[in-house]
Amino acid sequence: DTAVSQTPKYLVTQMGNDKSIKCEQNLGHDTMYWYKQDSKKFLKIMFSYNNKELIINETVPNRFSPKSPDKAHLNLHINSLELGDSAVYFCASSHRGSYSPLHFGNGTRLTVT
Amino acid sequence: AQRVTQPEKLLSVFKGAPVELKCNYSYSGSPELFWYVQYSRQRLQLLLRHISRESIKGFTADLNKGETSFHLKKPFAQEEDSAMYYCALSDLSGNTPLVFGKGTRLSVIA
Repeated sequence: DTAVSQTPKYLVTQMGNDKSIKCEQNLGHDTMYWYKQDSKKFLKIMFSYNNKELIINETVPNRFSPKSPDKAHLNLHINSLELGDSAVYFCASSHRGSYSPLHFGNGTRLTVT
Repeated sequence: AQRVTQPEKLLSVFKGAPVELKCNYSYSGSPELFWYVQYSRQRLQLLLRHISRESIKGFTADLNKGETSFHLKKPFAQEEDSAMYYCALSDLSGNTPLVFGKGTRLSVIA
C-alpha cells in the first residue's frame, strides 16, 4: 500500500523522557514535513525537509530535532518531554512543485504525564 | 472509521464564476469539519471551520449532516483563489487527530 505511515499511533510517556516518532513514505516524494495539531485542531508546521535537507524550521524548542536518514524517512526526536508537548503530530509528504498535494500520515497522539 | 472524500483532484473555473469544492465524509460520531488551503509556495493554513460559521475570503461551507457533506463555496472566483484545498474531519469532543481528504487543486483562469 502506498502511503505515509507514522509510528507509533499513540505514545504515552512521562515528563523528562526522550522519545521518537518515525515517519516513512513510499510515494517517491522528495519533501517531508512535521506538523503539530494544537488543542484547537489547528495544524502548525514544525519542520520540512527536501531531499534530506532542512528547508523549514519553525520556532520550536530545541528539544525537538528532526532527522532524515534518507528522503523516504523523516523522524522526530523529542528530548526532555514536557506536559505542553502533548498533542497530535502529523507527518506529511509531497513533491516539491507548487501544487503538489500533501499526503498525510494518520497522526501520532503524544500524551506526556 | 473516519473518511474524507474529495472527488475532484483538479477543478478549473473562469474568474468571476462560482466555485464549489466538494467534500464528503464518513463518520459515526459528532463531526467537526475544516477546510485548509495551501497557496503556491506557502504554508498550509486553516481557511475555515464549520463551528465558526464564518466567511473567509468570500468562502463559506455548510455542514450538511443528512448528505454528510461540507462543500466549500464562493460565488465569484478570483485568480488569487488558485491553490490546493484540503477538507479535514475530526470529532467535536476531544483532541482527536484530523483526517484529511486528498486535496483538490483549484485553478482560476483569467
